[in-house]
Amino acid sequence: AQTVTQSQPEMSVQEAETVTLSCTYDTSESDYYLFWYKQPPSRQMILVIRQEAYKQQNATENRFSVNFQKAAKSFSLKISDSQLGDAAMYFCAYRSESGAGSYQLTFGKGTKLSVIP
Amino acid sequence: NAGVMQNPRHLVRRRGQEARLRCSPMKGHSHVYWYRQLPEEGLKFMVYLQKENIIDESGMPKERFSAEFPKEGPSILRIQQVVRGDSAAYFCASSLDRAGETQYFGPGTRLLVL
Repeated sequence: AQTVTQSQPEMSVQEAETVTLSCTYDTSESDYYLFWYKQPPSRQMILVIRQEAYKQQNATENRFSVNFQKAAKSFSLKISDSQLGDAAMYFCAYRSESGAGSYQLTFGKGTKLSVIP
Repeated sequence: NAGVMQNPRHLVRRRGQEARLRCSPMKGHSHVYWYRQLPEEGLKFMVYLQKENIIDESGMPKERFSAEFPKEGPSILRIQQVVRGDSAAYFCASSLDRAGETQYFGPGTRLLVL
């Protein structure tokens, strides 16, 4: 079974600075997707960014980018120019593409990000 | 395009009552997933459904929990004889297809069992 580990329960960053959230995962599969979801105080789950494992190029969405290291099974999220609205819980998630399963998401326990004005 | 809709947003039940949670997927989406989030935890998969079919219910508790996604209408997660341990946020997600598609989440239903 796949597992996702987020080793930082809480992080803080100064407004306008850069922060990196860590995520590692364990899998024996070669084809999969990785995601970062954001959960603000409203508790809505919002997709931040996704990465296909077969792509070597790191995904980028505006101020959000990832550092995907497939061999190390690492998938960190970098937030540049942090804004107050970035304060939230951030969840890393894994999804198999093996075709044998239901493509369910496996989530880490989350990292709570605080942004300091 | 309306997002995933869930209702009610908040639900209070007493022990032993039934809870019914509804999920309307995004327009055109025929794949629905239910997840449960306990306090201070990440989301845990419960069940995956397509129209009129349960594809994977490996994350569902063996008793008291059931789910359906009828040909017409929303998907429903039903919890019979609720206990305090069922208190959690229940999220529904939908996707257009199965392979390669992102799951989009609804706002969740917060269930509180007194």
